Amino acid sequence: AQSVTQLGSHVSVSEGALVLLRCNYSSSVPPYLFWYVQYPNQGLQLLLKYTSAATLVKGINGFEAEFKKSETSFHLTKPSAHMSDAAEYFCAVRYNFNKFYFGSGTKLNVKP
Amino acid sequence: GAVVSQHPSRVICKSGTSVKIECRSLDFQATTMFWYRQFPKQSLMLMATSNEGSKATYEQGVEKDKFLINHASLTLSTLTVASAHPEDSSFYICSALTDEYEQYFGPGTRLTVT
Repeated sequence: AQSVTQLGSHVSVSEGALVLLRCNYSSSVPPYLFWYVQYPNQGLQLLLKYTSAATLVKGINGFEAEFKKSETSFHLTKPSAHMSDAAEYFCAVRYNFNKFYFGSGTKLNVKP
Repeated sequence: GAVVSQHPSRVICKSGTSVKIECRSLDFQATTMFWYRQFPKQSLMLMATSNEGSKATYEQGVEKDKFLINHASLTLSTLTVASAHPEDSSFYICSALTDEYEQYFGPGTRLTVT
């Protein structure tokens, strides 16, 4: 069965600090992986996606994620957090073209 | 990126009435759209997969007679909550699938049933 695990439902960092949001997946086939961000009372916005090209994927707003097959991970990072990064982040895996599984989400808090 | 709209963004209705939510892909055609429900402080729960010109595929536990989905064109899917009750109050989000199998989400609809 396919699944996505996001470690840490809440992550708190100081402004300017490194952001690391963890995502591990289980998939019996090469996955397509996504990170989405959700601001309060809004839909989800695509941050970045991995589609079996480069293992290091750069997204919007300075975020990037690295696909590590040996660790079945796709962690999201940003070198320097900004107050505007405070939001909820969801990792998702796609397989069978139109089947998506979402992680439980990680709420990022950025302290001044 | 692709743009998906949802209307209305917020609706308050009385118990027993029906509510229709529209989801439109504005700059691309979507054979497949998805409907999700999100409870406070929780992840998205997939309700159904909507396919243009055919019946929607509902996830286990979702009542198809209560949550009516119509995907009449390649740019429009609608979700009708029939005879809504307070327990149907939630945040409903749709998404549309591009030809490259990427999901783009609408801004969501906050439904409150009184």
